Amino acid sequence: EIVLTQSPATLSLSPGERATLSCRASQSVGSLLAWYQQKPGQAPRLLIFDASNRATGIPARFSGSGSGTDFTLTISSLEPEDFAVYYCQQRSKWPLTFGGGTKVEVK
Amino acid sequence: EVQLVESGGGLVQPGGSLGLSCAASGFTFSSHCMSWVRQAPGKGLEWVASIGQDGSEKHYVDSVKGRFTISRDNAKNSLYLQMDSLTAEDTAVYYCARRGGATGWGAFDIWGQGTMVPVSS
Repeated sequence: EIVLTQSPATLSLSPGERATLSCRASQSVGSLLAWYQQKPGQAPRLLIFDASNRATGIPARFSGSGSGTDFTLTISSLEPEDFAVYYCQQRSKWPLTFGGGTKVEVK
Repeated sequence: EVQLVESGGGLVQPGGSLGLSCAASGFTFSSHCMSWVRQAPGKGLEWVASIGQDGSEKHYVDSVKGRFTISRDNAKNSLYLQMDSLTAEDTAVYYCARRGGATGWGAFDIWGQGTMVPVSS
């Protein structure tokens, strides 16, 4: 099983600041990594697929990078609606796995 | 509008069974792999099972193998999850999710609102 480790667990930032979230895989997943945003009481929403492609309707302030085992989700300037939990997920091998999540909270 | 709507959740006793359904609309259901993803209270996301477009290919997380069965009916645009021998560790919100992309095996691009399954005596 491919284990995805997200860091940090919690990121405390202010609106307007830049957020950098990390996801590390226990073995290479190529570029087959996605990022999701989840707000309390809501279903997850796809942000980034295949490491660096923004999903439909996702603002340009969200960007993804990386390949192999190290991936980054960057939010260039946090908006109030961006404070949420973010998960990475790999589809390289079965079982599909998610990272433990990074909570982006208001400082 | 592209939409997934789950139903069938509810309180079940340990050792019991429950069947979940997911009704799809607004897209060509038979062109996409479909999956179930769950989230225990206060915890992260866990993929549970996936089924290929024609239903012939199925995959499960180890913890549910032999207990859960995923199926689909393309004529009814519906996805199902039959859950047997439930334990407290199966307590979660269960989400139906579409896998997107050109092949229909991509990331989870459409999610339902989720249905809660508490397992308790």
